[in-house]
Amino acid sequence: KAGVTQTPRYLIKTRGQQVTLSCSPISGHRSVSWYQQTPGQGLQFLFEYFSETQRNKGNFPGRFSGRQFSNSRSEMNVSTLELGDSALYLCASSFAGSGNTIYFGEGSWLTVV
Amino acid sequence: AQKVTQAQTEISVVEKEDVTLDCVYETRDTTYYLFWYKQPPSGELVFLIRRNSFDEQNEISGRYSWNFQKSTSSFNFTITASQVVDSAVYFCALSSSYNTDKLIFGTGTRLQVFP
Repeated sequence: KAGVTQTPRYLIKTRGQQVTLSCSPISGHRSVSWYQQTPGQGLQFLFEYFSETQRNKGNFPGRFSGRQFSNSRSEMNVSTLELGDSALYLCASSFAGSGNTIYFGEGSWLTVV
Repeated sequence: AQKVTQAQTEISVVEKEDVTLDCVYETRDTTYYLFWYKQPPSGELVFLIRRNSFDEQNEISGRYSWNFQKSTSSFNFTITASQVVDSAVYFCALSSSYNTDKLIFGTGTRLQVFP
């Protein structure tokens, strides 16, 4: 069974631009969450979507946004990119029940120059 | 507030040695979930184990074993007879029963296994 798929895998953007990252969850999974990983801050929760609704949000500025589609696929967007947004962005999916296992994709490596 | 501490930043061992990765957590919840993930250089977080707070049984899976002790708020991970392929960063994580899809991660332990 296919795992969590993220696209693109690598991208380079310029400060001030915006970026959209895509995530396809494991088939049947209805919850999708996003994490940012940087050397300085480690792994931090961005937000979680379930049934096209944002259910949880981490402590990130409004430049970070996301959405989920009816097929559970999700996108996250970062506007007005800053150098500090350079990071590995990881998407995860689960069945969205209590204590369900959360599976991660390979991530999207974003470099902002 | 919830917190996960992995005090060991980096561990180096020689192949076939046993190694234990420590994880200490803090939470006020009575129901919570603990996880271990492995992150190879490719970046993907590979799920290893999930344990709920009511299940204190230790678990063994091949060369991997986990020791969960609520009394000391620890969930330690041991690799027996380590192999070069075990080299990776290992993360311990915590979630609560009301926010099960929001993982609080530790800072990770980088394990290097030398031949």
